Amino acid sequence: EPEVTQTPSHQVTQMGQEVILRCVPISNHLYFYWYRQILGQKVEFLVSFYNNEISEKSEIFDDQFSVERPDGSNFTLKIRSTKLEDSAMYFCASSERQGAEHEQFFGPGTRLTVL
Amino acid sequence: QKEVEQDPGPLSVPEGAIVSLNCTYSNSAFQYFMWYRQYSRKGPELLMYTYSSGNKEDGRFTAQVDKSSKYISLFIRDSQPSDSATYLCAMSAFYSSASKIIFGSGTRLSIRP
Repeated sequence: EPEVTQTPSHQVTQMGQEVILRCVPISNHLYFYWYRQILGQKVEFLVSFYNNEISEKSEIFDDQFSVERPDGSNFTLKIRSTKLEDSAMYFCASSERQGAEHEQFFGPGTRLTVL
Repeated sequence: QKEVEQDPGPLSVPEGAIVSLNCTYSNSAFQYFMWYRQYSRKGPELLMYTYSSGNKEDGRFTAQVDKSSKYISLFIRDSQPSDSATYLCAMSAFYSSASKIIFGSGTRLSIRP
């Protein structure tokens, strides 16, 4: 069964460093998303991406964040200068079509720890 | 008021019991209502999806939406130890063309053998 994959599973970084979280969405999906979940808190929407453009972003997704689809298979989330409060699980998701009725498939997540 | 509220639990019930999980919400624009299951160290997995008000049944799972009360429920019949997980209610508004999902905080459920 096709699935979304994410690497690395755990990333430890120093405050102020740049990190890139990588995702490989399901191959025929066209819509991509990043969510994050701070420990003990709810899963929060960060950004959605389609046709090489951001479709929607939350207030969390400030200038420190960027997303990119560098090739035909990867989808990345970059945090330019990490802060302690960026420590969280980051989930990538993808869907075949647009619209809430189309299931978003989630990856297993990358645990980011900022020291 | 939070957009989506969900009792975090934990909820512990014996095997075979009927489980009721609930969420309330404040945004009238929500039209799509979902329940996700999340096992430890895994991403959320869609269990059930409902559009607007009403009931939907899938095997041992029943989802209910009452838009007039802004209240949604998930019922699990004949609960099994394998149902032990965190259950997240989630919602999306029709105007959100990018399908942004708003999640509840999740209820941790444990089914005792």
